[in-house]
Amino acid sequence: DAGVIQSPRHEVTEMGQEVTLRCKPISGHNSLFWYRQTMMRGLELLIYFNNNVPIDDSGMPEDRFSAKMPNASFSTLKIQPSEPRDSAVYFCASTWTERPTGELFFGEGSRLTVL
Amino acid sequence: KQEVTQIPAALSVPEGENLVLNCSFTDSAIYNLQWFRQDPGKGLTSLLLIQSSQREQTSGRLNASLDKSSGRSTLYIAASQPGDSATYLCAVKRGAGGTSYGKLTFGQGTILTVHP
Repeated sequence: DAGVIQSPRHEVTEMGQEVTLRCKPISGHNSLFWYRQTMMRGLELLIYFNNNVPIDDSGMPEDRFSAKMPNASFSTLKIQPSEPRDSAVYFCASTWTERPTGELFFGEGSRLTVL
Repeated sequence: KQEVTQIPAALSVPEGENLVLNCSFTDSAIYNLQWFRQDPGKGLTSLLLIQSSQREQTSGRLNASLDKSSGRSTLYIAASQPGDSATYLCAVKRGAGGTSYGKLTFGQGTILTVHP
């Protein structure tokens, strides 16, 4: 298996532009998580999906952030409009929720810089 | 609300030492606990997963223990090496029941430096 695949790996954009981050979870996993990591705040859960349904989006900073999971093999995190404080590394992770042995696997992350 | 705390925040040891990293959590209704390693500029790599019914897991020089009733886990690293230098994070998965079933909460991590 190729693991969790994220794109783009790096994104540099200007304030006000729309940013779309993409994630392909591991085949067969039924839960997908979006995390944001910064030096100041560490690893923060933004939203997670179970069976393609958003379960908890309480970590989404504000209305500028939105996430979708149209099917079991694809998810997007969109920021519109982007701001410099959104600069961070965004991680996608997937797992099989109902299995006690279900490990969480992370992608390599998308490093976002908003100028 | 689950809160996960890791102590110490940073640790520097000479090569060859055995060391212990600590993780504590406030809500014992967990499904499992997972330890991760993160190298600078990289993603998180899973090291060990302990199910809520288990007391410990071992992989090579790593041993993780879990005391669910007291809300604690430890990661023991034997005979540390410079290549073990990284940030170590623990995460707890919420158990069944409630609206946040399956939610994982991370600690802030322990930055480990093993010097030759």
